Amino acid sequence: GNSVTQMEGPVTLSEEAFLTINCTYTATGYPSLFWYVQYPGEGLQLLLKATKADDKGSNKGFEATYRKETTSFHLEKGSVQVSDSAVYFCALRDDKIIFGKGTRLHILP
Amino acid sequence: NAGVMQNPRHLVRRRGQEARLRCSPMKGHSHVYWYRQLPEEGLKFMVYLQKENIIDESGMPKERFSAEFPKEGPSILRIQQVVRGDSAAYFCASSPSQSGSNSPLHFGNGTRLTVT
Repeated sequence: GNSVTQMEGPVTLSEEAFLTINCTYTATGYPSLFWYVQYPGEGLQLLLKATKADDKGSNKGFEATYRKETTSFHLEKGSVQVSDSAVYFCALRDDKIIFGKGTRLHILP
Repeated sequence: NAGVMQNPRHLVRRRGQEARLRCSPMKGHSHVYWYRQLPEEGLKFMVYLQKENIIDESGMPKERFSAEFPKEGPSILRIQQVVRGDSAAYFCASSPSQSGSNSPLHFGNGTRLTVT
């Protein structure tokens, strides 16, 4: 069946550091791919998405490129801020959304 | 434009009681999904419903759990005879599109169930 694997956390970085959170997927067909973010005590918010191979999703300085050849959708940001501290979920959609286990990110001032 | 509304935000039940969790999807959305999140874990799919129909309940435990989405009113996730292992955050999401589309799901803020 379809599945999503993302790097385990927690990930701790200093402010202004470069961020990469790895995500790979297994799927039949060509699902849409998403990154969601969850702040403490809240639900999930869509961060960005890509619907086909080589698409790049971007939002709030975050980017991820749909790589069909490596079945990956890694999340990157060039300079993180303390306010980026949250849990990040990689996901794919066939008929329902399937989530990775989440990566907790801590940004130190 | 109200988002997905879930209530209550926090629910405490003693073992053996019933828990009812409500979800009102975004306006114009006719598809509802329920997910469960255990502490420090990802979200596990439970059930996908359209108005008056259960489309996919492959993630629902076979006993004690049920879900509905009536023609009028919110979607309800019902847990009978709760046990401590049911303690979790339950999230509802909605979508305006048919299954298989590239539309994201819009999530509510969840109901945190604690079973004592």
